[in-house]
Amino acid sequence: EVQLLESGGGLVQPGGSLRLSCAASGFTFSSYAMNWVRQAPGKGLDWVSGISDSGGSTYYADSVKGRFTISRDNSKNTLFLQMNSLRAEDTAIYYCAKVGIVYYDGSGGAHTNGVDYWGQGTLVTVSS
Amino acid sequence: AIQMTQSPSSLSASVGDRVTITCRASQGIRNDLGWYQQKPGQAPKLLIYAASNLQGGVPSRFSGSGSGTDFTLAISSLQPEDFATYYCLQDYNYPRTFGQGTKVEIK
Repeated sequence: EVQLLESGGGLVQPGGSLRLSCAASGFTFSSYAMNWVRQAPGKGLDWVSGISDSGGSTYYADSVKGRFTISRDNSKNTLFLQMNSLRAEDTAIYYCAKVGIVYYDGSGGAHTNGVDYWGQGTLVTVSS
Repeated sequence: AIQMTQSPSSLSASVGDRVTITCRASQGIRNDLGWYQQKPGQAPKLLIYAASNLQGGVPSRFSGSGSGTDFTLAISSLQPEDFATYYCLQDYNYPRTFGQGTKVEIK
């Protein structure tokens, strides 16, 4: 059974830092890309960051670029999100999510079969 | 970044109704779109991937269609457990982007 367990959330002052972790189990972690997705209170889903299976490629939303860093430790089946220079608008539940299989079409275009597993989330509150 | 415009933002429907939700991308995204269901206090759940493929374990009353810029999620006969918020997500390129969500409420 696939399990994703986030930790590291909490209350932090504006300008502060937090490091989120996501412990993965039930699948071959090193074979799948991973994402972080957040949801501010009462708001919609907001994609934050993604990382390839090897960790060699990373991607960010414009709103967090330069402040957040995604990484992974495939030997420990763990995904991380280092969040610096936090702002009130970063207050949200942060979900760790597994990307499905990546496959290629006849012209070499990459596709995925969605974000197929999600953790239960960890709450980050940025407030003084 | 690609913008995903989802409509309607909310709808009221009765059990047994057919419901459709649409997502429009600001540029062509092939069929690289998924649909997700989220109930209050829960994590999102994948319903449809690659625009029209039903995720395992998802009831067949859910279906997806579309390609390029226009996509639709349909629920053929709404059940009590389907009252939730639905989101589209483009996975054509980075940064990924979600639609704003559609809240399906009981009439």
